[in-house]
Amino acid sequence: NAGVTQTPKFRILKIGQSMTLQCTQDMNHNYMYWYRQDPGMGLKLIYYSVGAGITDKGEVPNGYNVSRSTTEDFPLRLELAAPSQTSVYFCASSYGQDPNYGYTFGSGTRLTVV
Amino acid sequence: DQQVKQNSPSLSVQEGRISILNCDYTNSMFDYFLWYKKYPAEGPTFLISISSIKDKNEDGRFTVFLNKSAKHLSLHIVPSQPGDSAVYFCAASAGNNNDMRFGAGTRLTVKP
Repeated sequence: NAGVTQTPKFRILKIGQSMTLQCTQDMNHNYMYWYRQDPGMGLKLIYYSVGAGITDKGEVPNGYNVSRSTTEDFPLRLELAAPSQTSVYFCASSYGQDPNYGYTFGSGTRLTVV
Repeated sequence: DQQVKQNSPSLSVQEGRISILNCDYTNSMFDYFLWYKKYPAEGPTFLISISSIKDKNEDGRFTVFLNKSAKHLSLHIVPSQPGDSAVYFCAASAGNNNDMRFGAGTRLTVKP
């Protein structure tokens, strides 16, 4: 049971480059999320999805895009990377809207923009 | 706008003693609270939760207490074990899973 898988684990980007952070889950969860964690800060929600074909903005969506073509995959796209996007990115999924379910997180992607 | 605050960045306790991790929140609409545990190079894992209709929830060595009037919750770990050494995040949501807010985390070190 793989849970939530994120790739890559580490990446260094130059300013202005683009990349896609991959996230896939094998638990048939409808809800998926992207968070970023900056040093000394809590996780902040970037985007979320309540099912295939449905996405919505979170607290800090600027500079990012997402898509959800399947239940399993929820990639996060960075266009024109900026140093402010240096962070650790976590993808998560949950079974439903009831917070009692909690989230299952991936192991994270550490991104540095130089 | 930090709606969930963990004011202690770190905590160190002796093995066998009680660990108490604290969390404060500002949004009175929050009605569900969770604690996550995170080891280095791993994602957070769900530990325990409590809804606003309760003031205590217990799961083995872990107990979460909620004081709604003070907008405060705490996680008690008794007895603490070296394997509990990790970063603990407090999180809160207002009725659904779509906008969960996290605190900055408290790094717990349990010394043998």
